[in-house]
Amino acid sequence: KAGVTQTPRYLIKTRGQQVTLSCSPISGHRSVSWYQQTPGQGLQFLFEYFSETQRNKGNFPGRFSGRQFSNSRSEMNVSTLELGDSALYLCASSLVAGGSSEQFFGPGTRLTVL
Amino acid sequence: SQQGEEDPQALSIQEGENATMNCSYKTSINNLQWYRQNSGRGLVHLILIRSNEREKHSGRLRVTLDTSKKSSSLLITASRAADTASYFCATLPMEYGNKLVFGAGTILRVKS
Repeated sequence: KAGVTQTPRYLIKTRGQQVTLSCSPISGHRSVSWYQQTPGQGLQFLFEYFSETQRNKGNFPGRFSGRQFSNSRSEMNVSTLELGDSALYLCASSLVAGGSSEQFFGPGTRLTVL
Repeated sequence: SQQGEEDPQALSIQEGENATMNCSYKTSINNLQWYRQNSGRGLVHLILIRSNEREKHSGRLRVTLDTSKKSSSLLITASRAADTASYFCATLPMEYGNKLVFGAGTILRVKS
């Protein structure tokens, strides 16, 4: 089976712009979770989607949003980018929702905000 | 806020030695998972241990869970240079609405 894929792998944006990141889960996985990883805050949960519905949300401002399509692919969007949004954004897919099974991570999208 | 705290923050050992990393957490959990991350890339799942389990093995990995002390340990035996990575524990707390919460990680360096 193909693994979790994320596009793009690298992205450079300027403050105030918006960005959309994409994640394709492993075939058959209906849960997709997004995480932000920074040196200062570590790995932080953004949100989880299961069967096109947002099931859980972390403590991030409303500038961070996401969605999931009927084929389980997911996108996350960050509007009005700030310097502090520079991070590695990881998505993970799993068979069941809620973190009760192993998560399969993609390689991440490294976002740099200038 | 982070639920899990790994100890030590960094560990440097010789190839062939054993590496032990510890994870402590604050609230009751459904499960605890260990992940490995190589140099800013995606995480790889190592082991999941449920709250009613005390020990699990996978190849050279051994994970223990002590729910009374709210702690877990990951033992890597006969370490190899390829084990050099960051190791994270992640907990599924019972009261946080099913969100996996990661610790800050232990950086392991295995010298050949």
